[in-house]
Amino acid sequence: AQKITQTQPGMFVQEKEAVTLDCTYDTSDPSYGLFWYKQPSSGEMIFLIYQGSYDQQNATEGRYSLNFQKARKSANLVISASQLGDSAMYFCAMRASRSGNTGKLIFGQGTTLQVKP
Amino acid sequence: EAGVAQSPRYKIIEKRQSVAFWCNPISGHATLYWYQQILGQGPKLLIQFQNNGVVDDSQLPKDRFSAERLKGVDSTLKIQPAKLEDSAVYLCASSSPERTEAFFGQGTRLTVV
Repeated sequence: AQKITQTQPGMFVQEKEAVTLDCTYDTSDPSYGLFWYKQPSSGEMIFLIYQGSYDQQNATEGRYSLNFQKARKSANLVISASQLGDSAMYFCAMRASRSGNTGKLIFGQGTTLQVKP
Repeated sequence: EAGVAQSPRYKIIEKRQSVAFWCNPISGHATLYWYQQILGQGPKLLIQFQNNGVVDDSQLPKDRFSAERLKGVDSTLKIQPAKLEDSAVYLCASSSPERTEAFFGQGTRLTVV
């Protein structure tokens, strides 16, 4: 069975500083994908970044980077130069690659990030 | 391109009443998902459609929940009768083989009193 664990219910960060949101996962699938989504108070889930289990490089998308440590089964999200608009709930999710790009996502419980001015 | 559309945004009903939610996915997306997100938790898949066929409904409480996607485009999710524990946000998402990520609607926030 697949499982995502996010152990930080809430985090604070000062504006313009970097912050790391933790995510560990468990799966028996040899091939899988890891995602981070942002959920602001308006409710929609916004895709941030993706890491494939066989990708050699850590994924980066603008101010977002994914610190992927396969042996430790961790996929932490790093947000650099935090902005007030980054205040939201952040979810780590996993999908088995055997399902292709249309498989279901398994989500963690989320981390609430608050950026202080 | 237009995103995933959901309606209504909010719904308050009494327990034992019925309710229906509507979703229109991104044009051309064959795969459609309904997720339930209870307050303070991550979304959990209720049902997944591929065109108008069900791929996964293992987590759908079939005694009270039903969903359909008759023409392989928009979908409805129904709860009858509702229980207090059904209070949650119901998220619809769609995806295609060409894109890695799934796209989500803004959700319907259901409160059962």
